[in-house]
Amino acid sequence: QVQLQESGPGLVKPSETLSLTCTVSGGSINNYYWSWIRQPPGKGLEWIGFISSIGTTSYNPSLKSRVTISVDTSKNQFSLKLTSVTAADTAVYYCARDARGVDVWGQGTTVTVSS
Amino acid sequence: DIVMTQSPDSLAVSLGERATINCKSSRSVLYSSDNKNYLAWYQHKPGQPPKLLIYWASTRESGVPDRFSGSGSGTDFALTITSLQAEDVALYYCQQYYGTPRTFGQGTKVEIK
Repeated sequence: QVQLQESGPGLVKPSETLSLTCTVSGGSINNYYWSWIRQPPGKGLEWIGFISSIGTTSYNPSLKSRVTISVDTSKNQFSLKLTSVTAADTAVYYCARDARGVDVWGQGTTVTVSS
Repeated sequence: DIVMTQSPDSLAVSLGERATINCKSSRSVLYSSDNKNYLAWYQHKPGQPPKLLIYWASTRESGVPDRFSGSGSGTDFALTITSLQAEDVALYYCQQYYGTPRTFGQGTKVEIK
């Protein structure tokens, strides 16, 4: 059974870059699309973007200028970089598999933007 | 972007009674080439990741109790819980995966009356 685990700093300073990695275990990263989704405190789910195993990406236009998603198939990992963060980027960040909806989710990691 | 709008924002239902959540998309999510509605439903409990309940608008994910059912086509969809259990208290979201950006409804909170 495929499992996902997010890793990265839980605290990021304003104007800096948020970096998270998702490790895929129990299955191959190949032949799927892999997403990042976030939930700010008290708000709903927001799709950040996804990447295919061959590196094709799509980003939410609302974040596109600040987001980069990359994949490392040799490590079965994919990553998120979000630049120039502000307090509005404080959220629980989920990595997930995009397949007939989102069928596999990581547990989520809380990222707080604060000085 | 395809805007997903759920109604109501919250509802309180007695144990054993029916709960129905509606979801409307701003454009059709029915793909003509395969006649599938690219619409999913999720259950989200505090401290846990969302859980996929329904995909293709009406196909139950493996392991999901059969009291959960999805219906609808095109732009109008519904999630029905036929006999509400205490463990069904949660937020429920619809999501379209017809196109990008993927978009979610704002969520519906289901509580026990």
